[in-house]
Amino acid sequence: DIQMTQSPSSVSASAGDRVTITCRASQGIGSWLAWYQQKPGKPPKLLIYAASTLQSGVPSRFSGSGSGTDFTLTISSLQPEDFATYYCQQANSFPRTFGPGTKVDIK
Amino acid sequence: EVQLSESGGDLVQPGGSLRLSCAASGFTFSSYAMNWVRQAPGKGLEWVSIINDSGGSTYYADSVKGRFTVSRDNSKNTVFLQMNSLRVEDTAVYYCAGAGGSGWSHFDYWGQGTLVTVSS
Repeated sequence: DIQMTQSPSSVSASAGDRVTITCRASQGIGSWLAWYQQKPGKPPKLLIYAASTLQSGVPSRFSGSGSGTDFTLTISSLQPEDFATYYCQQANSFPRTFGPGTKVDIK
Repeated sequence: EVQLSESGGDLVQPGGSLRLSCAASGFTFSSYAMNWVRQAPGKGLEWVSIINDSGGSTYYADSVKGRFTVSRDNSKNTVFLQMNSLRVEDTAVYYCAGAGGSGWSHFDYWGQGTLVTVSS
């Protein structure tokens, strides 16, 4: 199985800050990576797929990059509604696996 | 508007069974692979199972293989998860999620989830 790791596990930031989250796969997955945002008590929401393709309706302050084993999610200017937990997910093979999550909270 | 609505979650004893359902509307259900993803209380996301658009292909996480069975009825826009031999560690919110992209790679649509509690 492909293991996914994320760093940091949590980050405290202020509105307007640039935030970068890293996701690493235990083996190469090409560009088969998606990012999700989850708020407490809600289901996850797809932000980015194919490593860098923005899902329709997602603000352009979110961007993704990377390929192979190393990926990043960047929020260019953090907004109040962006405080949440973010997960990466590999889609290169079964079983699908998620990273452990990165919690973005208010500084 | 896309809607996925899970039902069937309950409190069940270890060794028991449950059948979850997920009713879909607002998109072409028969063109989407459907997944089950779970989240234990206070924990991260764990993918459980997928069934392809026609229902002819399924995959499972090792943690549920041999105990859970996914199926679908495209005439009723519904996907099911039959859960047998339930364990305490199966306690979680279970989400159904639709995957329409290339290789069913990402989960476009999510339901609100249904809670399964396994406890004596």
